[in-house]
Amino acid sequence: EAQVTQNPRYLITVTGKKLTVTCSQNMNHEYMSWYRQDPGLGLRQIYYSMNVEVTDKGDVPEGYKVSRKEKRNFPLILESPSPNQTSLYFCASRSGTSGAKQYFGPGTRLTVT
Amino acid sequence: DQQVKQNSPSLSVQEGRISILNCDYTNSMFDYFLWYKKYPAEGPTFLISISSIKDKNEDGRFTVFLNKSAKHLSLHIVPSQPGDSAVYFCAATTGAGNTPLVFGKGTRLSVIA
Repeated sequence: EAQVTQNPRYLITVTGKKLTVTCSQNMNHEYMSWYRQDPGLGLRQIYYSMNVEVTDKGDVPEGYKVSRKEKRNFPLILESPSPNQTSLYFCASRSGTSGAKQYFGPGTRLTVT
Repeated sequence: DQQVKQNSPSLSVQEGRISILNCDYTNSMFDYFLWYKKYPAEGPTFLISISSIKDKNEDGRFTVFLNKSAKHLSLHIVPSQPGDSAVYFCAATTGAGNTPLVFGKGTRLSVIA
């Protein structure tokens, strides 16, 4: 089954404690991205990657890091989480073909206290 | 500056009637548009798309209309069903599929039985 998986699904942590949210896709997609969803703000892109070792900032990259060492994985790293990073996070992937639709993971609910 | 706007945060419709969700965009370079549907505790799922070379695309109960001169698109759901109750996101992109999707803030549709 074609899918995007994220782990963990729920995470409560404290300010400053480094964490990683993993994302993996099994569709051999070139393009992967991370979004955060906040009330009244919709989906905002954090980082995206057009292929292995190619990443770029989205609209709200501050406080986040990513890496793309393998095509299937695109982890999101919060080196020093802060309460304003409490949010719902989605990973997504799609083919690089024009008009390709994007597939989303199930989401990770992060709470930083 | 928000490039994709969904000006109605919410919409309520009676079961069996038509639901019309609207989306406006400002970037004339956008050439591909998508609608996503999101249920609580799930990731967004692709619903329907349209290329800028068309003005209408239909898939079952869902039809998307594109008015390029007005930079406006709309999603029509006929007839509306209670299971259609969800948040709907409009998204747009440019180029050959290698550019990020830009999302609107979403419209919450409630279909009342």
